[in-house]
Amino acid sequence: GIQVEQSPPDLILQEGANSTLRCNFSDSVNNLQWFHQNPWGQLINLFYIPSGTKQNGRLSATTVATERYSLLYISSSQTTDSGVYFCAVPGTGTASKLTFGTGTRLQVTL
Amino acid sequence: EAGVAQSPRYKIIEKRQSVAFWCNPISGHATLYWYQQILGQGPKLLIQFQNNGVVDDSQLPKDRFSAERLKGVDSTLKIQPAKLEDSAVYLCASSRISGANVLTFGAGSRLTVL
Repeated sequence: GIQVEQSPPDLILQEGANSTLRCNFSDSVNNLQWFHQNPWGQLINLFYIPSGTKQNGRLSATTVATERYSLLYISSSQTTDSGVYFCAVPGTGTASKLTFGTGTRLQVTL
Repeated sequence: EAGVAQSPRYKIIEKRQSVAFWCNPISGHATLYWYQQILGQGPKLLIQFQNNGVVDDSQLPKDRFSAERLKGVDSTLKIQPAKLEDSAVYLCASSRISGANVLTFGAGSRLTVL
């Protein structure tokens, strides 16, 4: 099946700093989603971004499908950004069966 | 719009006992998913329904896990008998259509098997 790797696995930032999270996938995909899982376990969809760039407030995402990677940018980080960030892509042969990456655990400190 | 509802939020059972989890998706969402998330890992799809039909259950351990969505709305996931390795959070999600749409997740049901 498709492999999805994320980096870095762990990240500690001071409030106000910027960061870039990366998602690499092993096969061509027709969609990609970024999720944030807060410390209470709730998964929230951040972006549906099969290609190109999207922005939502302090967050933006870019997917370069031809090179099989996606980037999530967090600017002016806040403590509420803490949690685990997952990217997810559909597996081969099933458009909607999402395979989740390994996750990046982010901690934003004061 | 109301979110995806799941219950119970927490359940502790002993191995070999049975447990059931319930999910009510967002109104109008045809596709419903059950994911298993083991501590420290990303969610793994167990089963996907389109209305009341199964689209994918290739990763569901069918000797002990079962799921149904009889009227194409809410769904139940059952584990019988439970094993220690079933300790995880069971996440339900829904989307409007299969494939190209955005998943909305419930808060999850945390299972501890002793």
